[in-house]
Amino acid sequence: SQQGEEDPQALSIQEGENATMNCSYKTSINNLQWYRQNSGRGLVHLILIRSNEREKHSGRLRVTLDTSKKSSSLLITASRAADTASYFCATDKDTGRRALTFGSGTRLQVQP
Amino acid sequence: GAVVSQHPSRVICKSGTSVKIECRSLDFQATTMFWYRQFPKQSLMLMATSNEGSKATYEQGVEKDKFLINHASLTLSTLTVTSAHPEDSSFYICSAREHISSYNEQFFGPGTRLTVL
Repeated sequence: SQQGEEDPQALSIQEGENATMNCSYKTSINNLQWYRQNSGRGLVHLILIRSNEREKHSGRLRVTLDTSKKSSSLLITASRAADTASYFCATDKDTGRRALTFGSGTRLQVQP
Repeated sequence: GAVVSQHPSRVICKSGTSVKIECRSLDFQATTMFWYRQFPKQSLMLMATSNEGSKATYEQGVEKDKFLINHASLTLSTLTVTSAHPEDSSFYICSAREHISSYNEQFFGPGTRLTVL
């Protein structure tokens, strides 16, 4: 399956700073989801944004979606050491089997 | 919230043996389950889509005779890695899509780490 691209591939920040991750994709979508994965563990669903939405908030998370540019961003505000993880975007095509196509991921390291 | 379990969480086997991994949706019915594979420091790659009561749909490049998928009920799908080889060592993750889901939110299992010696 096609993969989206995420940037940066790796990001290291200090606790309290904001972290921004970007995701680009190639096909039309039904929605876009962001997931978090701690090292060697399963995925945790963070937030889902529908194709007709432009911005969504959940706690310290803010997600934007620009369907004209086929891109999304995830902002984590006031980061904590516990936010250290890999973050993946995943798109859901509006046709087909509805399997998710994952981006390449951003490895976030938050220094205490 | 919806919970998906996988068993076993970790397995080490000898080359040539077969390994079965179970994926269960614990508190909802999953018409469709997906199997992904993830190599170290890489993203998840879809292997196959498993539909209850029908044959799985495999992605290009995934051998259906090597990765046998059975989705016998609305809460259980199994992936059997037959005649495993060291190159099959990977992290296998399943996800389940709720039977009634307008937005295709999928719930992921915790993953199974397979090591083939």
